[in-house]
This record gives sequence, structure tokens and C-alpha cells, in this order.
Amino acid sequence: GAGVSQTPSNKVTEKGKYVELRCDPISGHTALYWYRQSLGQGPEFLIYFQGTGAADDSGLPNDRFFAVRPEGSVSTLKIQRTERGDSAVYLCASSLNPHEQFFGPGTRLTVL
Amino acid sequence: TQLLEQSPQFLSIQEGENLTVYCNSSSVFSSLQWYRQEPGEGPVLLVTVVTGGEVKKLKRLTFQFGDARKDSSLHITAAQPGDTGLYLCAAPSYAGGTSYGKLTFGQGTILTVHP
Repeated sequence: GAGVSQTPSNKVTEKGKYVELRCDPISGHTALYWYRQSLGQGPEFLIYFQGTGAADDSGLPNDRFFAVRPEGSVSTLKIQRTERGDSAVYLCASSLNPHEQFFGPGTRLTVL
Repeated sequence: TQLLEQSPQFLSIQEGENLTVYCNSSSVFSSLQWYRQEPGEGPVLLVTVVTGGEVKKLKRLTFQFGDARKDSSLHITAAQPGDTGLYLCAAPSYAGGTSYGKLTFGQGTILTVHP
């Protein structure tokens, strides 16, 4: 498909474990964004990549969260020592121009 | 931090009724966007409004940007069950006069249209 894909679609983990969430953006899109959406809320910005570099990581809640985009395409969001409060849907979006972002279906993370 | 307040938070109506969703802030925005999100999917962009007082129509949906560019509304005429979903307003961030895409979202309005 031509859209943004995210894997896994669902992830259940135990408190204290490490998780990786993957995002495959639309081919050719230089910008990539991660957002987190809690139940009944709008998405909250986490981090923005332009190419390989993180242009704005002001939304990462603490140093347990880290994201990479080593080749300017696929991105991985990494969460260390997961906590129950990290449970949410993690959305990825990509864009060619900043005025139109295309979102993936999200990864639903549940921390038990 | 730009804060977007959406109202109402929940809306449950019958097919054929009209409705309006509001997005308000104390901040002035260069542009505002409206998204629709269905369960298990990411938000999908409906429209971007950029000029104060601007009105845009998308079939039965009418979007308006306030004259002072602090608020926006979404009006749906003759709602259908297929309109059911989460409606979100969002404001892009700007740096040096250029939008770089980081979006600040409102909390959303959950719309349910009953047949």
C-alpha cells in the first residue's frame, strides 16, 4: 500500500520492559512525526524528524523515550522501562510539505 | 503553548439533523486544520483554513475560520451515519514564519449519528 504503515498494530508488555514501535512512512516523504493519543483525547506531539535528524523533540515526556530515523525513511520509537501511564495509541505521520500530514493507523501499546 | 478547546466533547444525533462543532482559543493562529478519525485509524485531514473569515465547503461540511483567527467551526448539514467519528481541530506550529508541521490538537468531539 502507499500509506503510512506502523508495526505492530498492538503491543502488550509488562511494566519495566523495553518496547520498539516501527513506522514506515510514505516513500519520498522527508518529514516524519510521532504523536501519542490517550483514550478520549487528541493526539499529542512527541517528536519531528526532517530527514535523519530530529528537528524538534520537545514533546518527548522524559528520557525513557527515544526515536531514531537512521536512513531518513523508517523510524523507530523506543521506550525503556515502560510504565502503565505509557499506555496509549502511538501515531506516526509523514509529509512532503508541512501543511498536509498523512497518519498511520497507530500502534496500541498496553503496559500491564 | 497554544491551547485548543473543542466543544461539545460528545454529540449524539439522529440521521438528517444538523450540527456544529466549535474550536476556540485565546491565541491567534496562522492556520487551523480539521481532521476526522475513525476507530483504529489515524486522523485524516479534511480542510485547512488560513484567512480570517474564510469559509470552505466540502460536500455537506462547512468550515469557518473566525475573523480574528482565534476560533473555527465545523457545521454538518443533514448528518449521516457515515459521518460518525472523532473530529479534531489542530494548529500547525510556525518557526520564523514558516510552518514546520508540528500539530497541536484539540481534545476532539466524538460524533455519533444514529440511523
